[in-house]
Amino acid sequence: ELKVEQNPLFLSMQEGKNYTIYCNYSTTSDRLYWYRQDPGKSLESLFVLLSNGAVKQEGRLMASLDTKARLSTLHITAAVHDLSATYFCAVDNDYKLSFGAGTTVTVRA
Amino acid sequence: DAGVTQSPTHLIKTRGQQVTLRCSPKSGHDTVSWYQQALGQGPQFIFQYYEEEERQRGNFPDRFSGHQFPNYSSELNVNALLLGDSALYLCASSFSGPNEKLFFGSGTQLSVL
Repeated sequence: ELKVEQNPLFLSMQEGKNYTIYCNYSTTSDRLYWYRQDPGKSLESLFVLLSNGAVKQEGRLMASLDTKARLSTLHITAAVHDLSATYFCAVDNDYKLSFGAGTTVTVRA
Repeated sequence: DAGVTQSPTHLIKTRGQQVTLRCSPKSGHDTVSWYQQALGQGPQFIFQYYEEEERQRGNFPDRFSGHQFPNYSSELNVNALLLGDSALYLCASSFSGPNEKLFFGSGTQLSVL
């Protein structure tokens, strides 16, 4: 069974500083997704990473994928309050996604 | 262009009852997946429908069943509700080609009392 582990599970960020969320998974997959979820809301797609070495950037967020290490990272540059949310990584496994437990991010002044 | 729509948004049921949740996929999408998200956890895959057939199923009991209609919309049925079935139920749609992104609906919040 595919297992997806995220860490940290909780992240308190200071505005203006940089942070990284890690996503490890247990079996081979070439597709990894990052989603954002605000409280009481659905999932918003952030990135789709389709190959080894893939790097995607959008604003202050940058995601990368290392399929050999079975590791993806979500890097946050110069955190701002609007980035407070829960972030999930999800690994594609034969038409179904296996999600990590999520990283709850709080950005403080 | 309407995205993925789910109904109802909230539902309260009692133990032992049955519930039906509905999902209309994004225009052009032919594949619908259902996920259960318990409070404080990541979504768990229930099943996926394509061409009106269940293509994949997660580790959920037979009390969870589904259907896909010719217009690609889908229903999730849960029988004999348990307290532990209380969760946010998310529908996601995609096109059946490779590397297609999932689009999630806003979900149905089910509370079982």
